[in-house]
Amino acid sequence: GENVEQHPSTLSVQEGDSAVIKCTYSDSASNYFPWYKQELGKGPQLIIDIRSNVGEKKDQRIAVTLNKTAKHFSLHITETQPEDSAVYFCAASPYTGGGNKLTFGTGTQLKVEL
Amino acid sequence: GAVVSQHPSRVICKSGTSVKIECRSLDFQATTMFWYRQFPKQSLMLMATSNEGSKATYEQGVEKDKFLINHASLTLSTLTVTSAHPEDSSFYICSAPKTGTDEQYFGPGTRLTVT
Repeated sequence: GENVEQHPSTLSVQEGDSAVIKCTYSDSASNYFPWYKQELGKGPQLIIDIRSNVGEKKDQRIAVTLNKTAKHFSLHITETQPEDSAVYFCAASPYTGGGNKLTFGTGTQLKVEL
Repeated sequence: GAVVSQHPSRVICKSGTSVKIECRSLDFQATTMFWYRQFPKQSLMLMATSNEGSKATYEQGVEKDKFLINHASLTLSTLTVTSAHPEDSSFYICSAPKTGTDEQYFGPGTRLTVT
């Protein structure tokens, strides 16, 4: 089965700096890679996703890159703000358009300090 | 996006009793829903896949007789924790993919405490 590793487990940055979270996956059949933000006591919120036919996707301050050859994908947050503080999870699944099981990474606790 | 709700948000029950958690997709239909549990400071662990009109598919190590899943309609799945024990205390979260896509939307979670 799929195995997703995520690093770092914790990340502290100063407000306004950039934050990068990296994930690797093992199953070459995976081709859908979402990122979720989870605030304390709440369910995960989908913030961005990428499919394997695309190398990079950007949405305002958030971007995701994918290197399918190396089986790496990363989340980039620029101009971080205190409200970006949360736990971020990467995930991977095979894409068939029908809703497949997601395999999650172990999570990254991001803290944005004033 | 899409909205998924869960009820209740918090529940405390006594050991040996059963608890039902509801998961609803509010503005879309979901033939499949997923149930996860999450322990403090840990990742989400998939428990089972709920399929509308058919039996749920359980992940290895998850007792199907303890965690009963019913997906009676295209917008509602329920998880019943039977004969609950303190070790069942956890955060239970459901998710639903928007029909025809792989975008999964999560509910706000249910905090179960078994005393």
